[in-house]
Order: sequence, then structure tokens, then C-alpha cells
Amino acid sequence: SQKIEQNSEALNIQEGKTATLTCNYTNYSPAYLQWYRQDPGRGPVFLLLIRENEKEKRKERLKVTFDTTLKQSLFHITASQPADSATYLCALLGDTDKLIFGTGTRLQVFP
Amino acid sequence: NAGVTQTPKFRVLKTGQSMTLLCAQDMNHEYMYWYRQDPGMGLRLIHYSVGEGTTAKGEVPDGYNVSRLKKQNFLLGLESAAPSQTSVYFCASRKTGREQFFGPGTRLTVL
Repeated sequence: SQKIEQNSEALNIQEGKTATLTCNYTNYSPAYLQWYRQDPGRGPVFLLLIRENEKEKRKERLKVTFDTTLKQSLFHITASQPADSATYLCALLGDTDKLIFGTGTRLQVFP
Repeated sequence: NAGVTQTPKFRVLKTGQSMTLLCAQDMNHEYMYWYRQDPGMGLRLIHYSVGEGTTAKGEVPDGYNVSRLKKQNFLLGLESAAPSQTSVYFCASRKTGREQFFGPGTRLTVL
């Protein structure tokens, strides 16, 4: 069956370091992959979209990679700040109209 | 532009009662979605719509019904609420090939 896996354990890092979050998937051939940020009590907010023919995408301090051979995406936040603390979700769109989400990884950035 | 709005924000029901959650978007998006989010389970798709007058089942459709009579509105109905339907419900919308915009959520408790 189709599966999206994100590390369920929280990632704790020190301010200024680079945070790296992982999204692995099986039994998908996604046309694109997206990353969202969710703060407690709020809806997810879109961050980045990367298509299957793109290896890397950047936006300010954010970088996403997409390896369709490994079936993996990495999400990096450089020079992390306490304000980056949130849950980050990856989502895949395959050959249907449905965007399927992973369970998310909680990031905590300590001063 | 209000984006995606959801009504109500909070609701408490007794087992067996019915209710309708309303989602509205003012971005002229074709696709609309209803998700539920439970601790440790991530976002799970209940029903979705690819256009006015169309609906389709998602991952967890049992106990819910939906209607999309107007392009801008997507209604989620619970005919006979059960405690297992206690959750946070999110509505989302998007254009083809683009990111999803989420509403602020509805927190539903079924006693």
C-alpha cells in the first residue's frame, strides 16, 4: 500500500544550526511533493513545491531536495531560529487528485 | 481575500446528533478537500471535490457526507455523530498543480 513516512520523534536543535527533516515514501510515483508548516491550533501553511523532474528547490533559508530513485525528500532550514519551531508536513500528489500527507515532524529550535 | 474560511470554529455534540460544517473559499479554486487530524495520525482525507457538483471519497469517508452545490462552498455533514468523530477538521482548496490553502479548522467534540 502507499505510505509516506516522516520521523515521528521531535527534532531538537540549537539556534543557528541547520535542521534537516526527512520524508520517505513507498508505492508512489508522485508528480510533485510539497512541504507545509503547521503551528499549534492552526491549519497547515504551504512552504515549497518540488516537481519530479527537479532535484532541488530553494526559498530564502529553506531548501528541499527530491530523489525519485531513493523515494525521499529532504527539507533543510539553514540558520534556524526559535520562530522556526513548528510541525512540518510533507505531502505527495500522485496520479490522482488527492494530496496525501505524512504525519509530520515536530521541530524545536532552542536559543 | 478571506482565503478559506470554516464555520463553526468549535462545536460540542452529543452522540447521535447531526451537524454540518461549512467551508468557503473566495479564490475560485476547482478542488476542495475535507481532512480530519488526530494526534499521531496526521491529516486524513475524508472526502474531496474536483469541481462544482462533484464529490469523491477519501481515506476515511464512513459516517460523513459532503455536497458541493456551489464552486465556492464545500459542506461536510455528520448524520449521527459518534465519539470516534471527535477531531479537528480542516478544509482546503487548490488550483490544478498548485499548493493547497487550508482553513483555520473546526474543533469538534462528540460526547
